[in-house]
Amino acid sequence: AQSVTQLDSQVPVFEEAPVELRCNYSSSVSVYLFWYVQYPNQGLQLLLKYLSGSTLVKGINGFEAEFNKSQTSFHLRKPSVHISDTAEYFCAVSAVSGGYQKVTFGTGTKLQVIP
Amino acid sequence: KAGVTQTPRYLIKTRGQQVTLSCSPISGHRSVSWYQQTPGQGLQFLFEYFSETQRNKGNFPGRFSGRQFSNSRSEMNVSTLELGDSALYLCASSSTTGATEAFFGQGTRLTVV
Repeated sequence: AQSVTQLDSQVPVFEEAPVELRCNYSSSVSVYLFWYVQYPNQGLQLLLKYLSGSTLVKGINGFEAEFNKSQTSFHLRKPSVHISDTAEYFCAVSAVSGGYQKVTFGTGTKLQVIP
Repeated sequence: KAGVTQTPRYLIKTRGQQVTLSCSPISGHRSVSWYQQTPGQGLQFLFEYFSETQRNKGNFPGRFSGRQFSNSRSEMNVSTLELGDSALYLCASSSTTGATEAFFGQGTRLTVV
């Protein structure tokens, strides 16, 4: 069975400061990893994804994430946040389970950017 | 290419009633998943359908059910509504069962009074 842990439920950060949202996963097989963002009263939209290759993945809106296989982590980072980054962020892992790919989402981290 | 469409966007129902929510996936996508999102429990997986077959199921009571049609459109039904069923219900579609990213609809906001 696979699981995803987002270690922080809420992260307050001042505008223009850097931020890191943490995500750890567990799986006994190879995984694909994703970060999604959800703005109020909206569905989730993809920020970035790791399928294979370079462990540093760049996404939209200046976000990036690094896949660390030994640490089983996929932390999301942004060097300088804006007010518009205030949203909820979800980490997800996709792996083979029961003969087909299964996606598991973390519980989410609410990023609050303080002006 | 049209995105994932969920209808209706907002719904108010009374305790004890039943409700049906609809999701039209992106054209060509055969996998549809449903999630319940509440402030207290966060994002919780309900079930996934692929080619009209339920492939995965979350830990929800039997009052929650779903189905998928041959055109990949999916419906979710909740019977005997409870106040705790008030939530944002999200539908996501993907081209395979989880190997690529999921595309989400804007959700249906269900309020049970």
